[in-house]
Formats: sequence, structure tokens, C-alpha cells
Amino acid sequence: AQTVTQSQPEMSVQEAETVTLSCTYDTSESDYYLFWYKQPPSRQMILVIRQEAYKQQNATENRFSVNFQKAAKSFSLKISDSQLGDAAMYFCAYRSPTSGTYKYIFGTGTRLKVLA
Amino acid sequence: EPEVTQTPSHQVTQMGQEVILRCVPISNHLYFYWYRQILGQKVEFLVSFYNNEISEKSEIFDDQFSVERPDGSNFTLKIRSTKLEDSAMYFCASVSGAGNFYEQYFGPGTRLTVT
Repeated sequence: AQTVTQSQPEMSVQEAETVTLSCTYDTSESDYYLFWYKQPPSRQMILVIRQEAYKQQNATENRFSVNFQKAAKSFSLKISDSQLGDAAMYFCAYRSPTSGTYKYIFGTGTRLKVLA
Repeated sequence: EPEVTQTPSHQVTQMGQEVILRCVPISNHLYFYWYRQILGQKVEFLVSFYNNEISEKSEIFDDQFSVERPDGSNFTLKIRSTKLEDSAMYFCASVSGAGNFYEQYFGPGTRLTVT
């Protein structure tokens, strides 16, 4: 069975600085999908960035980028030029292409604090 | 932009009581899910629903749980006889079925407190 691990329960970053949130996963599959979701306080999870495992190029969305290391089974999220609005819980998620139900497997999350 | 909505935002109930958590997925989405997150733990998959039937359920989703899509818009999770360990945040999600990412859209969650 696949598992997702986020080893940093909490991280802090100064406004305008860069922070990297780590995520590792375990799977025997060669193709899969990975996601980072952001959950602001009392709000729903929203998709930040996604990556297909068969693509070697790291995904980028504005200030958010990933460092996808398939051999190491690592999928870290880098947030550049951090803003106060980036403060949230961040979840890493895995989706198997063989799951006919498209369910996610989540990590435990990392709470990001942005310091003014 | 369309959103998944959930009601209530917080539900307090006594052990042994039945609760129904409600979700309105994004219209024209085809796949529906319930997840839960016990405080401090990971978000766990409970059940997926497609074509008016359960397509997959986890070990957590025992006979005390049921799901329904009674009217084509609402998607409900019922817990028949709540236990203290059912206290958690419950998230509903939906997927359109288009494209290849099948990314999930989540509701804000219902915090269930069982006393």
C-alpha cells in the first residue's frame, strides 16, 4: 500500500523569503500523480500544484514549484517570496493511476507560519 | 468559481446518536468522496461514490456509516450510532472526471464532536 510522509509538522518563514516543505512517499507503482494542497484556517483545501510522475520536468505555478525526485520518492514544495497569505496547512497527496476511484492518500500536513 | 459546500460547519452530538453530514458537490462532477481527519492525524479516505453507488470504501467505513445522494445535488454521510472516536473533521470532495489529473475539489469540512 502506498504511504505519504510529511516529516515537518510546522515550518516558519520570513515574509519575502523562500521555504521548502518536504514530502516523501512509498509506492511500487511507476506512474502516479502527486499534489500539494493548501488549507487556510477554517477554509477548504485548494490545489496548489500537481505533478505527473512520468514527467521529469518539475511543475511550477507562479511562486510555487516542486522538486520531484522520482528515484528518491520525494516531492518537496518550494514557496518563493513568501507572503502572509501563504500561511496555511499544506498537504501532500498521492493518487494511483490504477485506482478506479481516484482517491487520494494524504500526508499528515505541515503548518506554515509566515512572519512579518 | 463553483465550490463544494458542507453543512453544518460544526456538529456536536452525544455518543450513540445519529448524525448526518451534508455536502453539495460541484454540479456536473461525477465522483464524490468523504475523508476524515482526526485532530493531529492524517487525512484518511472513507468512501468514494460514483454512478449512485459506493465504488470503494476503507476499513474505517463500517456498518455504522452510510452515504447517499438523495436528490442529485446533495451528498450525505450518515453515522448511525456515533462513538467518541468518530470525533474528527469530515471533508467532502468531488471530481469532474475530465482530463487526466482527476483533481479533487474539497469542501471546508464539518467538525464533528462526539461527547
